[in-house]
Amino acid sequence: GEDVEQSLFLSVREGDSSVINCTYTDSSSTYLYWYKQEPGAGLQLLTYIFSNMDMKQDQRLTVLLNKKDKHLSLRIADTQTGDSAIYFCAESSNFNKFYFGSGTKLNVKP
Amino acid sequence: SQTIHQWPATLVQPVGSPLSLECTVEGTSNPNLYWYRQAAGRGLQLLFYSVGIGQISSEVPQNLSASRPQDRQFILSSKKLLLSDSGFYLCAWSVGTGVAFFGPGTRLTVL
Repeated sequence: GEDVEQSLFLSVREGDSSVINCTYTDSSSTYLYWYKQEPGAGLQLLTYIFSNMDMKQDQRLTVLLNKKDKHLSLRIADTQTGDSAIYFCAESSNFNKFYFGSGTKLNVKP
Repeated sequence: SQTIHQWPATLVQPVGSPLSLECTVEGTSNPNLYWYRQAAGRGLQLLFYSVGIGQISSEVPQNLSASRPQDRQFILSSKKLLLSDSGFYLCAWSVGTGVAFFGPGTRLTVL
């Protein structure tokens, strides 16, 4: 499969912004995604961005895409303890396969 | 609205025993279906995907197999489980929108 890389851990204080980064290798990626996984649960789609976009904002979430560098980031504003979870970056080039990173575990300290 | 079911939610099996995990989707037709495995502390590995009944593509060689006997049913099987088959198995579906939706997962422990 295609390579999608993420850092494993991020720790922030409640109220701060969190930025989770992801890099990918497939230059033909069409969609890029962010999913959230809470303990013992499946993956919940947070947001996604089409490859011809640079930015997408949805309430507290901002996705930035640098297609030249194949870099995707997810910014969570005003991070809350309920945001503590594992966040997965994923990409798809043909809608038939979705490749995921290893996940970033976000720990929000009160 | 669409929903996806997986069962069982948890399973403990001895080494060498068979396996059958089931996934069903409601509220959509002709979805793409996927099996992923999440090993402890690791990311998601795509195991199988299917674009239609009886059509299965395997991503990695392994001790597992998949079948799609009906449009909205996807089954993950093994004849003899290995310790390394332990993990969290996630079923997902997608249609032409380009977004994958996941089921609640099955936690498999092989002893």
